[in-house]
Amino acid sequence: SQQGEEDPQALSIQEGENATMNCSYKTSINNLQWYRQNSGRGLVHLILIRSNEREKHSGRLRVTLDTSKKSSSLLITASRAADTASYFCATYGVDRGSTLGRLYFGRGTQLTVWP
Amino acid sequence: GAVVSQHPSRVICKSGTSVKIECRSLDFQATTMFWYRQFPKQSLMLMATSNEGSKATYEQGVEKDKFLINHASLTLSTLTVTSAHPEDSSFYICSARVWKTGELFFGEGSRLTVL
Repeated sequence: SQQGEEDPQALSIQEGENATMNCSYKTSINNLQWYRQNSGRGLVHLILIRSNEREKHSGRLRVTLDTSKKSSSLLITASRAADTASYFCATYGVDRGSTLGRLYFGRGTQLTVWP
Repeated sequence: GAVVSQHPSRVICKSGTSVKIECRSLDFQATTMFWYRQFPKQSLMLMATSNEGSKATYEQGVEKDKFLINHASLTLSTLTVTSAHPEDSSFYICSARVWKTGELFFGEGSRLTVL
């Protein structure tokens, strides 16, 4: 399976603190994406990092990728209560013998930011 | 970003009935759409990949006759849960790939409750 695995499964912090979530995956990838999901809602794309990139920033988000360790991290700086959500990493790859690219999701990290 | 509309957002049905969920790309053409299933506090599990004008590709363990997928046009894919049972109750999410760029956008999800 190409599925990513997030760590920790749950994270609880105070507003203003930084939140770091990690993701590990198993096979080679074309890119890795992070998504956010509010309870009972669809997914919102946060950031995509390609396999030849090591770090990427978007506002308060910072994503790193280490392909040698098959891992990625998502850092949310100066967290806010509105950041409370589940965060998923997803790896995009093409199955062997196929031309079909797919997204595989990890289990997610439930982030709770207390005001 | 592009918009993917999923309908209905919530549906309650009796055991044994069939339920159809629609996934529409509103402002772009999507040659490929993906259907996911998500149980509470768990990750998204890819059920099938839907390609316009051809048969869907189902993931291992997903019953083709149970979850009928039709992708009749470049903007619409439907998932029909046939003869629904309580264990089919879940959150179903679709995503659509933009034909030209390959970007993926997600619908808001459909919560199915089978009584």
